[in-house]
Amino acid sequence: GENVEQHPSTLSVQEGDSAVIKCTYSDSASNYFPWYKQELGKRPQLIIDIRSNVGEKKDQRIAVTLNKTAKHFSLHITETQPEDSAVYFCAAMKKTTGTASKLTFGTGTRLQVTL
Amino acid sequence: GAGVSQSPRYKVAKRGQDVALRCDPISGHVSLFWYQQALGQGPEFLTYFQNEAQLDKSGLPSDRFFAERPEGSVSTLKIQRTQQEDSAVYLCASSLGLAGDKNIQYFGAGTRLSVL
Repeated sequence: GENVEQHPSTLSVQEGDSAVIKCTYSDSASNYFPWYKQELGKRPQLIIDIRSNVGEKKDQRIAVTLNKTAKHFSLHITETQPEDSAVYFCAAMKKTTGTASKLTFGTGTRLQVTL
Repeated sequence: GAGVSQSPRYKVAKRGQDVALRCDPISGHVSLFWYQQALGQGPEFLTYFQNEAQLDKSGLPSDRFFAERPEGSVSTLKIQRTQQEDSAVYLCASSLGLAGDKNIQYFGAGTRLSVL
């Protein structure tokens, strides 16, 4: 089955700096890669996603890049703010026909933005 | 509109007790997923429903775990004879359909189960 690895497990940056989180996946049939932000005790919230037909997607301060050949994708947050502090999860979903498909998650990155 | 709603938010059970966790998906969402999130880990898939049909239960850890969605809307995850290793947050997610933007999964806040 699919295996998703995520690095680093913790990341501390100063306010205004950039943060980068990297993930690799194992199943070349995966074609959808969302990123979720989870604050303590809260629901995972989708912040950005990318499908395998594009290499990069940007939404304001957040961007995601995908390298299908190397099977890795990354989350980039620029101009970090204290409210960006949370745990971030990458995930992969395999393409299926006729049914929906589960998400396979990485182990998470705890991002701390310090003043 | 309302998001995915889960109840109870917290559940404390004595070892050996049965528990039932409820998920109300977003109205009209066809697909419903249950995930288990251990402390400090990412969510792990348990089971998936398309309407009322349980199409994948490969992630259920044992036959003590049972899920149903009888009318294709609300779902219940039942754990029989709870064990300490069942302690985790149980997350429910729903998606509108099967492909494209319709396969985006929206999560509930979860039920934190503690087995003593």
